[in-house]
Amino acid sequence: NAGVTQTPKFQVLKTGQSMTLQCAQDMNHEYMSWYRQDPGMGLRLIHYSVGAGITDQGEVPNGYNVSRSTTEDFPLRLLSAAPSQTSVYFCASSYSVGTMEDGQFFGPGTRLTVL
Amino acid sequence: SQQGEEDPQALSIQEGENATMNCSYKTSINNLQWYRQNSGRGLVHLILIRSNEREKHSGRLRVTLDTSKKSSSLLITASRAADTASYFCATDEEDSNYQLIWGAGTKLIIKP
Repeated sequence: NAGVTQTPKFQVLKTGQSMTLQCAQDMNHEYMSWYRQDPGMGLRLIHYSVGAGITDQGEVPNGYNVSRSTTEDFPLRLLSAAPSQTSVYFCASSYSVGTMEDGQFFGPGTRLTVL
Repeated sequence: SQQGEEDPQALSIQEGENATMNCSYKTSINNLQWYRQNSGRGLVHLILIRSNEREKHSGRLRVTLDTSKKSSSLLITASRAADTASYFCATDEEDSNYQLIWGAGTKLIIKP
């Protein structure tokens, strides 16, 4: 199993550009999520999904869109990049939906810089 | 919002010593989880303790949970250089709607 994969690993954007961060998992996990991590801070949840066709907002959803057309894929779209979106982005997945009992599996991250 | 708060923010110890990190939280939880993050990499799940458990062990890791004080501690015994990493606690709140709430982490450095 490849686990959770993310592409690209690094990206530089100009203010106003849009892009999609890709995330895929091959563990048949129902739950998938996107976090951002800023220096000296823990993870902040952007969006999450409890199954194909179902998404919801997390703590910091503004400026981001998601979709979940398949169980495997959960792309994150930046609509119009801003310098405040400079961060490291992590995708994570887990088996369980109800009580988050199994812990989450994380991808390697995408380091995004917006100029 | 950040629920978990780790203490200390940074910890530097000699190899072979024990390392203790603490996490405090604010609301009722279903479980509390600890993760490790090596520099520049994704997080790795270490251990989960449920709200009705008081102590749990996994190899050199020992986690305690005190729900009356809303706090948890992670003890790493006989530390190794490979334990150098940041450690995060995450809480699954009772009314969380499928969201884990994360602390800011403790940066642990093991000196050879």
